[in-house]
Amino acid sequence: GAVVSQHPSRVICKSGTSVKIECRSLDFQATTMFWYRQFPKQSLMLMATSNEGSKATYEQGVEKDKFLINHASLTLSTLTVTSAHPEDSSFYICSAVRGPGQGSYNEQFFGPGTRLTVL
Amino acid sequence: AQTVTQSQPEMSVQEAETVTLSCTYDTSENNYYLFWYKQPPSRQMILVIRQEAYKQQNATENRFSVNFQKAAKSFSLKISDSQLGDTAMYFCAFMIGLSNTGKLIFGQGTTLQVKP
Repeated sequence: GAVVSQHPSRVICKSGTSVKIECRSLDFQATTMFWYRQFPKQSLMLMATSNEGSKATYEQGVEKDKFLINHASLTLSTLTVTSAHPEDSSFYICSAVRGPGQGSYNEQFFGPGTRLTVL
Repeated sequence: AQTVTQSQPEMSVQEAETVTLSCTYDTSENNYYLFWYKQPPSRQMILVIRQEAYKQQNATENRFSVNFQKAAKSFSLKISDSQLGDTAMYFCAFMIGLSNTGKLIFGQGTTLQVKP
């Protein structure tokens, strides 16, 4: 149990276009999901916290108008990179936390990541 | 603010030997969790071990164990009988509090190479 999927696994897009990345909890309900960005051989940088039914909370320095997050249901959060530029090329990882009463409540389960390349 | 520091960017170990990865953290909180995550070349994050700050006993998961020194704010990971599949980047992480909305704060990571 506790499987998180991401789609697509990799995407290449042209500069100026928008790209949507989906994060799904497959076998549990996730009241909270997190979005991270990771550059090669570096650590995970938290971008935002996504709570079902409410606006995402962005970390300092993350442009909320550029990285749109929508957590429309208890199993799905989406990250849309708007007007993507080459500097947005990175590895994006989501994680999901089980809702209350579903076991180990404080563990984050990670998706496999999405590699975004902006040409 | 909480910080997590991993001072060893890269380490290597011979297969079947033991290796220890270091991690220190800084916090004024009393209730928190500490984690070690493994990120193999596939880049899938895998939880290796978890330690609750209120527990004095060091966590153990098969070949993986931690040395948790709360006063020193140190949380090292020992890997015994290293295997080739242990080759990965290892991240130490910290989470405040007991709610399921706690954010993870990651260290810089340590790349571990297990040599045959």
